[in-house]
Amino acid sequence: DAKTTQPPSMDCAEGRAANLPCNHSTISGNEYVYWYRQIHSQGPQYIIHGLKNNETNEMASLIITEDRKSSTLILPHATLRDTAVYYCIVKIGGSTLGRLYFGRGTQLTVWP
Amino acid sequence: DAGVIQSPRHEVTEMGQEVTLRCKPISGHDYLFWYRQTMMRGLELLIYFNNNVPIDDSGMPEDRFSAKMPNASFSTLKIQPSEPRDSAVYFCASSLAPGNTEAFFGQGTRLTVV
Repeated sequence: DAKTTQPPSMDCAEGRAANLPCNHSTISGNEYVYWYRQIHSQGPQYIIHGLKNNETNEMASLIITEDRKSSTLILPHATLRDTAVYYCIVKIGGSTLGRLYFGRGTQLTVWP
Repeated sequence: DAGVIQSPRHEVTEMGQEVTLRCKPISGHDYLFWYRQTMMRGLELLIYFNNNVPIDDSGMPEDRFSAKMPNASFSTLKIQPSEPRDSAVYFCASSLAPGNTEAFFGQGTRLTVV
């Protein structure tokens, strides 16, 4: 069963910020929000995860709303190499990926 | 570390033949996962291991599929007999012990059954 809802596609100009939304209205208190991406013909790649605080790493920022029902992944300066399918996933903290549901994700296209 | 290594990268086989996919996880990772990706169903978890022991195989589609992990550095996914509907990209992933850790995926094996 899908626990997250994402738009099927988005596009973004190179150099601009890409903001990818995700709805997870049924998220439980102990579930984390994870983001992965999959560049064409490659395996999925971890980007970032968080519980309730905003998180930032060298790849992206994750903004989680106060009620935790939605989040936004921000790629601050998108490049052509960021063109990929982005998956938003909820996962119980402290466990393995287990029965992780990847869903269909959002196809982000970065154009020159 | 070279990351998760899968072989072969591409496999074409005839219906009814046995197919074996191989995976070498990242050294030190206690968890290993096998996923299958198709256009119709997206990315599905087939089975995962903890310390070489299968923990959850409920995603394995049918008895034609089997997976083993004889040691911490090697796992196989076998399909016998193969069918055209098994055509997909099969990914192996590994991760550290439980916690909020990321999973590392291999490059995948593209299987075509004709």
